[in-house]
Amino acid sequence: EDKVVQSPLSLVVHEGDTVTLNCSYEVTNFRSLLWYKQEKKAPTFLFMLTSSGIEKKSGRLSSILDKKELFSILNITATQTGDSAIYLCAVEVRGTYKYIFGTGTRLKVLA
Amino acid sequence: SAVISQKPSRDICQRGTSLTIQCQVDSQVTMMFWYRQQPGQSLTLIATANQGSEATYESGFVIDKFPISRPNLTFSTLTVSNMSPEDSSIYLCSVAAGGDREQFFGPGTRLTVL
Repeated sequence: EDKVVQSPLSLVVHEGDTVTLNCSYEVTNFRSLLWYKQEKKAPTFLFMLTSSGIEKKSGRLSSILDKKELFSILNITATQTGDSAIYLCAVEVRGTYKYIFGTGTRLKVLA
Repeated sequence: SAVISQKPSRDICQRGTSLTIQCQVDSQVTMMFWYRQQPGQSLTLIATANQGSEATYESGFVIDKFPISRPNLTFSTLTVSNMSPEDSSIYLCSVAAGGDREQFFGPGTRLTVL
């Protein structure tokens, strides 16, 4: 059965800290891995990763994929209170458009 | 990316009734998706809705409970039928609209069934 597992489930840090969120997957016919930020209801797209070893970066956020070890990490540097959210990892199954989501990591950044 | 709107944004409904959720996109898209997110849980795909064909439902979801319409390339509806408290969830529509087919989500509908 295809699955996506995220860790940790929750995390509390202070402003300025750096955090690393993990996503591992067991998915047949992998096409891509995506990261989303969910603050209220709607997940907001962050990154799509398809190739191993190529870092995607946007401001203080960066992510990288390891297709051999079947995992991805999302790094957030110099965290701010506005980074508080649930971070979701999803894997797209090739040929289907179907996404399998992990349970998410709930991040809380304290001032 | 695509701009997606959903109506209603939230509703409180009585057991046994039905609610239809609307999803409108600002551009034509082939594929639209409906997800459910139960309290404290992650997103689960209910069905894929392609224009001009029957929706494709995931395991555990059936058309009688979650009928879907897709009358054109910018609009879809999801009906939650004969509701029970277990249907209390956030319902989200999404579209594959990015250059790499990444999905973008609507603002969601928070449904509470009493």
